[in-house]
Amino acid sequence: DIVMTQSPDSLAVSLGERATINCKSSQSVLFNSNNKNYLSWYQQKAGQPPKLLIYWASTRESGVPDRFSGSGSGTDFTLTISNLQAEDVAVYYCQSTYTHVRSFGQGTRLEIK
Amino acid sequence: QVQLVESGGGVVQPGGSLRLSCAASGFPFSTLGMHWIRQAPGKGLEWVAFLRHDGSDKDYGDSVKGRFTISRDNSKNTVYLQMNSLRTEDTAVYYCVKDGTGYDHWGQGTLVTVSS
Repeated sequence: DIVMTQSPDSLAVSLGERATINCKSSQSVLFNSNNKNYLSWYQQKAGQPPKLLIYWASTRESGVPDRFSGSGSGTDFTLTISNLQAEDVAVYYCQSTYTHVRSFGQGTRLEIK
Repeated sequence: QVQLVESGGGVVQPGGSLRLSCAASGFPFSTLGMHWIRQAPGKGLEWVAFLRHDGSDKDYGDSVKGRFTISRDNSKNTVYLQMNSLRTEDTAVYYCVKDGTGYDHWGQGTLVTVSS
């Protein structure tokens, strides 16, 4: 099974600044047949279910602000949140969707500095 | 619109059993695989199980393999999770989600508490 590892476990960023969260998979999640990376990012605010932010590593879900962007390929991925807003305080998870075994990273807690 | 409504949670003693249900609507249920995800209190997300749209293929996380069984009734647009030999570490909110390149819809989940 694919193991997903996020870094850091937590970070604090000032309002208006940029937050960067990394995710590494134990094996490539790139499908050669369509050149897509099967990697999703979720945001979970306190007391709420997770919300899908990005799929295929870099495609924003409908309605997600363009402050959120995803990048990377193969085994190394990054979620970048630009111009951090107070409402971005949450735990962020990456997930492999490469197979039906949908492993999640351990989560990264984002706070305001 | 897509709706996923989980039910069947509650308090159960270690070693006991519970069956969760998830009623789905707003999408072609019989054409999509379904997953169960769980989240222990204060912990991260854990993928639990997957069932193909026609029931022909299923997978389980290592922590529940041999104890949990996923099934579905396409005539009722419902997916189930039969949980046996429950342990205290199975205490969590359980969510069902539909298959896709990402889980784009989530219900509120159902809380399972395993405690003596």
